[in-house]
This record gives sequence, structure tokens and C-alpha cells, in this order.
Amino acid sequence: SYELTQPPSVSVSPGQTATITCSGDKLGDKDASWYQQKPGQSPSLVIYEDTKRPSGIPERFSGSNSGNTATLTISGTRAMDEADYYCQTWGNSAVVFGGGTKLTVL
Amino acid sequence: VQLVQSGAEVKKPGESLKISCKGSAYRFSTYWIGWVRQVPGKGLEWMGNIYAGDSDVRYSPSFRGQVIISVDKSIDTAYLQWNSLKASDTAMYYCARVWGQQLANAFDIWGQGTMVTVSS
Repeated sequence: SYELTQPPSVSVSPGQTATITCSGDKLGDKDASWYQQKPGQSPSLVIYEDTKRPSGIPERFSGSNSGNTATLTISGTRAMDEADYYCQTWGNSAVVFGGGTKLTVL
Repeated sequence: VQLVQSGAEVKKPGESLKISCKGSAYRFSTYWIGWVRQVPGKGLEWMGNIYAGDSDVRYSPSFRGQVIISVDKSIDTAYLQWNSLKASDTAMYYCARVWGQQLANAFDIWGQGTMVTVSS
């Protein structure tokens, strides 16, 4: 089965840039999406089709996908961005989620 | 546009259960709906997607035979069903709409979740 690997945790200082990676075999050939989940809330889509932001998502969220790695970048990170982030793609005829990354804004 | 799920459930092992997910403010029958499990403190697991227009279902290999996904397009509602619950089914269950009309797209709208607790 297809697998996506994320770092369990990432820390960033307020105002700095946070980078969260998602690795999978030839992931760059697929569409990657990213979800944010805050404690006690449902996940919400922040990036789809590698680089696109849904309406209402701040411009500080951006995505890229090439080779074996998709990347979510949060520029000028704010305390409100502290959350779990999950990457997702479609592989081997199935939806696949990464294990999730806890972003801590110190 | 929203998905509203049924309320929390507490069940005993071996019991059956059917939870629901009702769409509103969009053309329900032209979208896929997915179900996602989240065990407390753990990550997201895809269970399956169903096309609301014709009930075409695609199951995750991990959940095929364990649950039943269905839809009633006349009332814009998708369902997730168990015939015999286990303690390991204790989790939060989310429904989510697939963006656009393609099966493999991202989930753009999520329900609020239904917590299912299975305990003797």
C-alpha cells in the first residue's frame, strides 16, 4: 500500500517560517493536499492540488510538491497556526493520509 | 455548504450502529462523500468514499467487510454502519465532501464528527 511520511513534530517561533514535509514514492506525480486540525475541531483543508488555497485560507499558507516530497510552508507563523497538519494524496486506488505533524509555535 | 453529523453514541460490543451525515446548501447527489476515522490521540484514517448520485462505493482495504457505507440521495444523507461493534471501533468518525466531481480530489467540507464509544 502507498504510504506518506511526515515528521511527528515541528517547532517554530512566532513570525518565522514553518516548513512541514510529506514524503512518498513519486509523490510529485500525484496531487497533494494539506489539512489543519486544531484540538477538538474537525480537520480543515488548507492546500489542495499541491499549491492551491481554498477561499478564506491566508496567503501565508503555501504548498509545493516535487520528486518524492510535498511541502507545506507557513510564512510569518502565528500562534493561531499551532495545530496538527496532515498531508493526503490518492495512491493505489485509495485515499492516503500522512501520520500528521504537530506544529508548535513557541 | 455544510455537513451535519448525528450525535455521539455509546454502545456495547456486538451491537449494531448506523451514523449519518446530512449535506445542505449544495447539490448533494453530484459529489462524493468520504468517511474518516480518528482514534483519540491518533491520526486520520480513510474508510471509504461513496458517490451520492449512484451509491458507487470505494472502500479502504482496511475497512472493507468491517463497515457499510451507504447513501439516501432523496434526503441528502450518507451513512456509516456497523453490524457488530468492537471496542476497537471507539473513535471519532468524520464525513467529508470530496471537492469537485472526481473521486481522488481533496476533502473540502468536513462534518463536525460523531464520537462512537464501544464499551461493555
